[in-house]
Amino acid sequence: DQQVKQNSPSLSVQEGRISILNCDYTNSMFDYFLWYKKYPAEGPTFLISISSIKDKNEDGRFTVFLNKSAKHLSLHIVPSQPGDSAVYFCAASVGGATNKLIFGTGTLLAVQP
Amino acid sequence: EAQVTQNPRYLITVTGKKLTVTCSQNMNHEYMSWYRQDPGLGLRQIYYSMNVEVTDKGDVPEGYKVSRKEKRNFPLILESPSPNQTSLYFCASATGIYYEQYFGPGTRLTVT
Repeated sequence: DQQVKQNSPSLSVQEGRISILNCDYTNSMFDYFLWYKKYPAEGPTFLISISSIKDKNEDGRFTVFLNKSAKHLSLHIVPSQPGDSAVYFCAASVGGATNKLIFGTGTLLAVQP
Repeated sequence: EAQVTQNPRYLITVTGKKLTVTCSQNMNHEYMSWYRQDPGLGLRQIYYSMNVEVTDKGDVPEGYKVSRKEKRNFPLILESPSPNQTSLYFCASATGIYYEQYFGPGTRLTVT
C-alpha cells in the first residue's frame, strides 16, 4: 500500500517557466512533509518542508503547498533552471517521536534550456 | 565538512555471504536511518535509530540487521544476502529535533 504517491514519473518544462510537482498521500496522520532532490550518483538532499498546520511555505524559488482536505502536496519551482533537473521525492512523517519517513516514488524533472 | 559517509560505494557479492555496509556521520546526530531505492518503488526505509542502542524497524526490515553502539556509526548487516536485496542503499542522519535528513552518497549492492 503506497501511502505517498507521485503519479507523474517525469516532467519536462522550459527554462524560466514554472515547474509543478505533485504528491498525494492517504494517511491523515501525517504531520510533516518534505521534498528532497536527487542528482544521479548522489544521495538525496533536503529541499523544503511544511508542517501540517500550514498550507504554504516558501524558500526562494521553491514553494510547497499543502491541501489537507485533498491530501495533496505540491512543489512549485519558479523560475525553473537547467540545474533543477533531478529526481524529486516527496516524503511524509508520522509523529515527532519516531522520525519515520515514507517516501514517494519520485518524479524526474527535466528543465530544457 | 559535515557529511555522512558509506562504505563500500559498490559491492558485488554472492548469495549467502554475510556482508556489512558501514555508515558514519560527523554531525553528532541522534537519528540515523537506512533506505533502499528500487526502480518504481522510490525510497523505502529499512531500519532507523533514535539514539545509541535504540533501533526500530522501518517498512522493509526483512533480511537486514542493524546496530547502534556508537552515536556516529550505524552499520547495515545482511546475514545471508539474496538476489532480491540487490539495490541502491542510502544511510541518513538527522538531529532529534528536525526532520531534515542528511543522506550519504549511496552503496550499490549486487547479489548474484
